Amino acid sequence: GAGVSQTPSNKVTEKGKYVELRCDPISGHTALYWYRQSLGQGPEFLIYFQGTGAADDSGLPNDRFFAVRPEGSVSTLKIQRTERGDSAVYLCASRPGLAGGHNEQFFGPGTRLTVL
Amino acid sequence: AQTVTQSQPEMSVQEAETVTLSCTYDTSENNYYLFWYKQPPSRQMILVIRQEAYKQQNATENRFSVNFQKAAKSFSLKISDSQLGDTAMYFCAFMKHRYGGATNKLIFGTGTLLAVQP
Repeated sequence: GAGVSQTPSNKVTEKGKYVELRCDPISGHTALYWYRQSLGQGPEFLIYFQGTGAADDSGLPNDRFFAVRPEGSVSTLKIQRTERGDSAVYLCASRPGLAGGHNEQFFGPGTRLTVL
Repeated sequence: AQTVTQSQPEMSVQEAETVTLSCTYDTSENNYYLFWYKQPPSRQMILVIRQEAYKQQNATENRFSVNFQKAAKSFSLKISDSQLGDTAMYFCAFMKHRYGGATNKLIFGTGTLLAVQP
């Protein structure tokens, strides 16, 4: 079946602009994560959804970042007033259900965001 | 807070040989999971191997095996019979062991770039 997909693959924007990054999780997966991977670093947690609600947004760096998942499937990460420091690869991952940590997180290919 | 450290930014190995990637972590948790992920140039993170902390037996998956030393908080990855397709970034990751609606987020190290030479 289809894996996690993310669009766009690459996004170039100018400082101060607004961007939206989309994630399509694996069908039926109720848990969805966003991570940010800066150059030369490992991914860092941003936000976790269980169904439609953001169960943990403790990783969002500031209030310019926001994410939604209105119907419990597709999620959109929104960044307002982008800054050059927001340049990174944004990864989305999904996993099934509420079961314990042995549920593997399946990652998408990421969106590379470049802020000029 | 949990931290994961990978002290080898880059490694190189000849095709068909064996290589070991190092990972150490710091936590006060007793129940957790450890993972190795592979990230090729396509950027897609692929799970290589998983270890539950309560299991003493080291996990193995075909050519991949781990050396899990819980007391030392060490979790190294051994790749046997290295293949050209193993060339990638490898990330070590930690996850608390929680059920129900807990976040179960992954905490990653900074990665090791492995190059398999023909």
